[in-house]
Amino acid sequence: SQQGEEDPQALSIQEGENATMNCSYKTSINNLQWYRQNSGRGLVHLILIRSNEREKHSGRLRVTLDTSKKSSSLLITASRAADTASYFCATPLYGNNRLAFGKGNQVVVIP
Amino acid sequence: DTEVTQTPKHLVMGMTNKKSLKCEQHMGHRAMYWYKQKAKKPPELMFVYSYEKLSINESVPSRFSPECPNSSLLNLHLHALQPEDSALYLCASSHSQGAFGYTFGSGTRLTVV
Repeated sequence: SQQGEEDPQALSIQEGENATMNCSYKTSINNLQWYRQNSGRGLVHLILIRSNEREKHSGRLRVTLDTSKKSSSLLITASRAADTASYFCATPLYGNNRLAFGKGNQVVVIP
Repeated sequence: DTEVTQTPKHLVMGMTNKKSLKCEQHMGHRAMYWYKQKAKKPPELMFVYSYEKLSINESVPSRFSPECPNSSLLNLHLHALQPEDSALYLCASSHSQGAFGYTFGSGTRLTVV
């Protein structure tokens, strides 16, 4: 099942620029998570933001959460070629053991 | 150890074959998951094991049979698969309830011929 929807679907930027992607979801959540996936391999957990948090930082990542609008954004600052990947938001459904992913954003960082 | 290890990385099997995918973690996580991912699509949940018991089966066809021999191991037994079952199969683990995020393995790329 899918819960989150990211917008835009594909993003191409120059190295050093910032990349922003958005995610919307439909139901009430306990937390929202962002994952990165390189070249169709495993997903890497980037950051988790809880429903009572509005903003969270981790290195070059900044995540915001607006529960009133049921939306989240992921900002990658000063992008690098290594940031080229697919980025998924995910939310737990019906308790936390059923993680549902959004459609994903393909980000290409051009050196 | 902060990894989930999946073997094999690649698998090609015929429609009459029986094979197994394996997943191992030593982080003390008590929840383990199987996801299926088709190209350019998000992962889709197949099974959830919580404390070594199957807690969620997302209406997966019986040709996929999960097994959790102990708290560190998760298997996915495959039998009589169809070409449309070709996909990336991802294993993940988490603390109970997944409240701190999931750790994913690098996946098994399965091709059914």
